[in-house]
Amino acid sequence: KAGVTQTPRYLIKTRGQQVTLSCSPISGHRSVSWYQQTPGQGLQFLFEYFSETQRNKGNFPGRFSGRQFSNSRSEMNVSTLELGDSALYLCASSQGQDTDTQYFGPGTRLTVL
Amino acid sequence: AQKITQTQPGMFVQEKEAVTLDCTYDTSDQSYGLFWYKQPSSGEMIFLIYQGSYDEQNATEGRYSLNFQKARKSANLVISASQLGDSAMYFCAMRGHSSNTGKLIFGQGTTLQVKP
Repeated sequence: KAGVTQTPRYLIKTRGQQVTLSCSPISGHRSVSWYQQTPGQGLQFLFEYFSETQRNKGNFPGRFSGRQFSNSRSEMNVSTLELGDSALYLCASSQGQDTDTQYFGPGTRLTVL
Repeated sequence: AQKITQTQPGMFVQEKEAVTLDCTYDTSDQSYGLFWYKQPSSGEMIFLIYQGSYDEQNATEGRYSLNFQKARKSANLVISASQLGDSAMYFCAMRGHSSNTGKLIFGQGTTLQVKP
């Protein structure tokens, strides 16, 4: 079974721009969670989608948004980029039950200049 | 509030020796899950092992075992017979409350370096 894939792997943007990151979960997985990883804040939960609905959301500003499609693929969007948005963005998929293990993708490394 | 604490920012171990990475947690939930992930320099988080709060036996997966001490709220990862490829960052994580779906709470991580 193919693992979680994320595209693109690397991105360089400038302040004020917006960016869209994509995540394709493991086949059969219906839940996708997104995390931001920075050296200062560590790994922080952004949001989780299940069956095209946002089920949970972390403490991030409204500039961070996401969606999920009927094939369970998910995208996250960051608008009006700030320097502090530079991070590794990881998505993880699971079958969607609370007890399920999350499997992560390789991440998208975003640099904001 | 739930919290994961990893007190070892960095550790060294000699190849072929065993190493224990510490993890303590705080939660008021009766039902919870604890995970360990490995993150090589490439960035991908690799799932290693899972322990449920009601599991009576410590979890094992190949060279990885989880030393679960519920009363002490600790969930230490033991890696036996370390290999050079084990050099990476290791994260302990907790599954949030059932109403907090899809969310893992992570510790700050421990960097492990395996010496030849």
